[in-house]
Amino acid sequence: DAGVTQSPTHLIKTRGQQVTLRCSPKSGHDTVSWYQQALGQGPQFIFQYYEEEERQRGNFPDRFSGHQFPNYSSELNVNALLLGDSALYLCASSLDLRTGYFHEQYFGPGTRLTVT
Amino acid sequence: AQKVTQAQTEISVVEKEDVTLDCVYETRDTTYYLFWYKQPPSGELVFLIRRNSFDEQNEISGRYSWNFQKSTSSFNFTITASQVVDSAVYFCALSEAGAAGNKLTFGGGTRVLVKP
Repeated sequence: DAGVTQSPTHLIKTRGQQVTLRCSPKSGHDTVSWYQQALGQGPQFIFQYYEEEERQRGNFPDRFSGHQFPNYSSELNVNALLLGDSALYLCASSLDLRTGYFHEQYFGPGTRLTVT
Repeated sequence: AQKVTQAQTEISVVEKEDVTLDCVYETRDTTYYLFWYKQPPSGELVFLIRRNSFDEQNEISGRYSWNFQKSTSSFNFTITASQVVDSAVYFCALSEAGAAGNKLTFGGGTRVLVKP
C-alpha cells in the first residue's frame, strides 16, 4: 500500500522564480492538504483540496496556488519566490469527512525548497 | 481561532527515563480532534494518535500514553522507558470537525533527545 509521495525531494530556486511541487495521496484517499514548515517551527496550513476544488485555505498570499487532478494527485505552485519561502513543504492526504468518520492526515516525506 | 501551545522546546533525557510532553490547546468548537505526530530527522511526520473531544479516556499504546483533560484544555504525551530511537521532534495538533475541511493547527513542537 503506497503512502503519500512527493516530488522533487529537494529544490533550489532563485528569488522571483516560480516553482511547482507535486504530491500523490495515499491509496484510497481523496483529500490533499499542503503545509509549509519553516526551520525549527511547526507546519503551517496552506490549503486543502477535495473534488478538484480548494476547500480550505490558510493565511498565505495568492502567490501560493494549487490544483487537484481527477486521480486525486495535487500540485502546489508558488510564484515570485521570496527568500522567506525557503521551507519544507509537506503534503498530507486523508479521506473526506462525508464518509462519516474523521480520518487523520498522513504525510509525505516533504520537498525541501531553498530560495537563494 | 484555534491555537496549540507546546511550551517545552527541547527535552533531554537519558535512556530508560520517562519523558512527558505538554500540549495546551484553544478552540471555540465543542467538537474537535487532537493529534500527536512524530517527526524524526528524516522529516516525515508520523501519525501517533487521534483523540475526539468527547472521549476523555486516557490511552496507552506500548511505551506511549496520552492524558486528555478537557477541563484544562491539555493533551499530554508520555514516553515511558525512553529509547534512543524516540529522539525526534513531537508535534501536538488540533482540528475542527466541520464539513469545511479538516485542516490541522500545529504547536511549535518539542524536540526530544534521548542519550544512551
